[in-house]
Amino acid sequence: DTAVSQTPKYLVTQMGNDKSIKCEQNLGHDTMYWYKQDSKKFLKIMFSYNNKELIINETVPNRFSPKSPDKAHLNLHINSLELGDSAVYFCASSQGLTQETQYFGPGTRLLVL
Amino acid sequence: AQSVTQLGSHVSVSEGALVLLRCNYSSSVPPYLFWYVQYPNQGLQLLLKYTSAATLVKGINGFEAEFKKSETSFHLTKPSAHMSDAAEYFCAVSLSSTNTGFQKLVFGTGTRLLVSP
Repeated sequence: DTAVSQTPKYLVTQMGNDKSIKCEQNLGHDTMYWYKQDSKKFLKIMFSYNNKELIINETVPNRFSPKSPDKAHLNLHINSLELGDSAVYFCASSQGLTQETQYFGPGTRLLVL
Repeated sequence: AQSVTQLGSHVSVSEGALVLLRCNYSSSVPPYLFWYVQYPNQGLQLLLKYTSAATLVKGINGFEAEFKKSETSFHLTKPSAHMSDAAEYFCAVSLSSTNTGFQKLVFGTGTRLLVSP
């Protein structure tokens, strides 16, 4: 009965590879987010989708492409992985576009070698 | 632009002592403010949030925070620390676009709370 789930939990890959991270929420929320947490624990929003439409794109390299097949899912595809992409990626969801609580997934730890 | 500043990347307390984690915001309008906690190897969990209903906000696990407009602060406190409180704590402010109405959380740099026996 996990509210926000992510797969995989860990991802180790070589530079130049392409990888995807999946996120699913069963809270019935209509807004989903991707955050990146770097090695210093700094958290920054990357993307946000509301009802499957992109509403926030925070100057993220176009190697990162989010996709929302439906309101309950938000996936993140990363092309040509670079060393600097190593981080923890968190998915989150909330209801509506106002100042509502965001619920976070457990994170995907990506290590690019 | 709105942002938050967390003073002190690490705070150490003894079990049973008062916990005080500092957060200051910069905003020209009353903001929505949040405190989230991150336990090791886990995602973030909401502790409490300020949405202008009351200046003293009570959260989970005995934490509370007071919104002080005159000091532009939203410090997090707990009267008596437990070992289980050891975690990373993030203050965040919510940005809302007047055009689109979207919500974006801008996080502080986090404060690691260490609790010793």
